[in-house]
Amino acid sequence: AQTVTQSQPEMSVQEAETVTLSCTYDTSESDYYLFWYKQPPSRQMILVIRQEAYKQQNATENRFSVNFQKAAKSFSLKISDSQLGDAAMYFCAYRRWETSGSRLTFGEGTQLTVNP
Amino acid sequence: GAVVSQHPSRVICKSGTSVKIECRSLDFQATTMFWYRQFPKQSLMLMATSNEGSKATYEQGVEKDKFLINHASLTLSTLTVTSAHPEDSSFYICSANWQGAGEQYFGPGTRLTVT
Repeated sequence: AQTVTQSQPEMSVQEAETVTLSCTYDTSESDYYLFWYKQPPSRQMILVIRQEAYKQQNATENRFSVNFQKAAKSFSLKISDSQLGDAAMYFCAYRRWETSGSRLTFGEGTQLTVNP
Repeated sequence: GAVVSQHPSRVICKSGTSVKIECRSLDFQATTMFWYRQFPKQSLMLMATSNEGSKATYEQGVEKDKFLINHASLTLSTLTVTSAHPEDSSFYICSANWQGAGEQYFGPGTRLTVT
């Protein structure tokens, strides 16, 4: 079974600074998806970034980028120029490469605080 | 983008009664819908996966007779909590996707309080 581990229950960053959230996972599959979701106080799950395992290039979405190390099974999220609105719980998630119906496996989450 | 709605956003019910939560995909046909439960400051726990027109697949430890899931159409799934008890109080989230989609699209969640 696949597992996802986020070893940082809480992180904090100063506004405008950069922070990196860690995620490791375990799988025997070669094709899969990895995601970072953000859950602000409203509790709406928001997709931050997605990475397909077959892609060597790290995904980037504006201030958010990942460092995907397939051999090490590591998938960290870097937030640049942190903003107050980035404060949220962040979940790393894994999904098998299937057409549909495949469950997401979530990590435990990292609570990010952004200090003004 | 793909939008998923949930109704109601909040519900309070008395112990012993049943409550239904609806999950709708507004602008796509959801071949699969997922129901999660989340306790404060914890991760999402998958309760069940439902495919349109077939019975839901429940995760180990989830009582299928207590949490009834119906995926009657490609845009609607319902979760009914039967004979609710205070320990069923939680935040329930649905998500959906379609065949070939990479990610799941999440509803805004429903806060259930059983008194």
